[in-house]
Amino acid sequence: QKEVEQDPGPLSVPEGAIVSLNCTYSNSAFQYFMWYRQYSRKGPELLMYTYSSGNKEDGRFTAQVDKSSKYISLFIRDSQPSDSATYLCAMSVYNFNKFYFGSGTKLNVKP
Amino acid sequence: KAGVTQTPRYLIKTRGQQVTLSCSPISGHRSVSWYQQTPGQGLQFLFEYFSETQRNKGNFPGRFSGRQFSNSRSEMNVSTLELGDSALYLCASSRPEGGELFFGEGSRLTVL
Repeated sequence: QKEVEQDPGPLSVPEGAIVSLNCTYSNSAFQYFMWYRQYSRKGPELLMYTYSSGNKEDGRFTAQVDKSSKYISLFIRDSQPSDSATYLCAMSVYNFNKFYFGSGTKLNVKP
Repeated sequence: KAGVTQTPRYLIKTRGQQVTLSCSPISGHRSVSWYQQTPGQGLQFLFEYFSETQRNKGNFPGRFSGRQFSNSRSEMNVSTLELGDSALYLCASSRPEGGELFFGEGSRLTVL
């Protein structure tokens, strides 16, 4: 079983929709969680970083962590065609830097 | 503020050769991590360096090695290249106390 599971998609939504992206994990010791956006042939771009259960909001993005269910989510409000990319979740036990990544969900936002 | 810089961006090698990739972290970041990204395996942790010492290591063979210099710049080396080493190699830096990882654009290695 992989440490982190993520639905690869692709997920196709119309512009303006609310997008929900999810990851589940098996290691209950994970404490630090991140979401990245990766455009084709580019490096991952950090969107959200959190180290506690609950919600964290930044603009159109909300990260949610439920440690009791070992489940994290990223919500994108008012999705735009420019949001079309692969979204990766990442998590770690310690604050330093051996992070485990999900396989990524490919999102397509149609104009 | 300059981001993480990786060189070269693209390179082609043949089996059996070796390759060295370079990474300059964000100014003030002393931790540098390396990841391999392939379509089949996704992003996999190679190793992490802090203050010129390897602090964490992933499950890769000894052909993969790295080092960090006193100015926090890092290099990784892959010896005796195999076809399966074709991948995007990503470097990430973070503050000394850890936390968010900031990635470079990667070095895309093709092994023929």
